[in-house]
Amino acid sequence: DAGVIQSPRHEVTEMGQEVTLRCKPISGHDYLFWYRQTMMRGLELLIYFNNNVPIDDSGMPEDRFSAKMPNASFSTLKIQPSEPRDSAVYFCASSKRYEQFFGPGTRLTVL
Amino acid sequence: AQSVAQPEDQVNVAEGNPLTVKCTYSVSGNPYLFWYVQYPNRGLQFLLKYITGDNLVKGSYGFEAEFNKSQTSFHLKKPSALVSDSALYFCAVRVAIPGYSTLTFGKGTMLLVSP
Repeated sequence: DAGVIQSPRHEVTEMGQEVTLRCKPISGHDYLFWYRQTMMRGLELLIYFNNNVPIDDSGMPEDRFSAKMPNASFSTLKIQPSEPRDSAVYFCASSKRYEQFFGPGTRLTVL
Repeated sequence: AQSVAQPEDQVNVAEGNPLTVKCTYSVSGNPYLFWYVQYPNRGLQFLLKYITGDNLVKGSYGFEAEFNKSQTSFHLKKPSALVSDSALYFCAVRVAIPGYSTLTFGKGTMLLVSP
C-alpha cells in the first residue's frame, strides 16, 4: 500500500485566497483525520470522519475552514479566505482500529 | 479530559548508550497508548502501541516502551541509541472504549544522538 497520500506537498498563497488540501487515505481504513501542526500549538486535531461522515469538527478553528469526504478514498480541507495565521503543516491520517497512519503533510504558507 | 505530558523538550544521548524518552498520561478509564516519531519534513510515523496484555511492548527500529499503570507512565526506551534515531518523538493516548475515541498527543520530545 502506498500509505496516506496528500497533495500538494507545499502551498504558497496570498492572504484572501482559497486553499484546498487533498488526502487519499489507506484503502480499507474507515477513519480519517485532519491535523494542523505549528511550533506554538503543536499537533491539533481539526476534524475526523468515520465512514465518510464528519464525527467531530470541534477543532476547526473558524468558519473559514471546511472539510469534506465525498467517498472512502478522498477528502479535502478547504480554507477560504486564507490568512497568514493559517500557515502551518496540515496532516491527514487514517485508521482502521487503533493506530493512525499519517501522510507526509502539506506545508502551507500564507503571505 | 485526557492529556499527555512529555516533561523534556530535548533529550541528549551519545551513540551506543541507552535512551529513555519520558511520557505520563491522564485519562478517565483504561488507556490506549502510542509512540510516534517525526523526522524533519516528514509525517508522523507509528512506532509502537499498548492496547492490553504485556506491559512491555516492542516496536519498530529496536524501540520498546513499558506501560506502568500505577505511575500512569509509558516511557520509550532503546538499549543502544543510533545517530539516525535523532528525531522528534510524540507520545499519545486515547481512552479505551467501544468504538473510537480521539487521540491526544504530547508536545513532543526532540531526541539528539551524538556520534
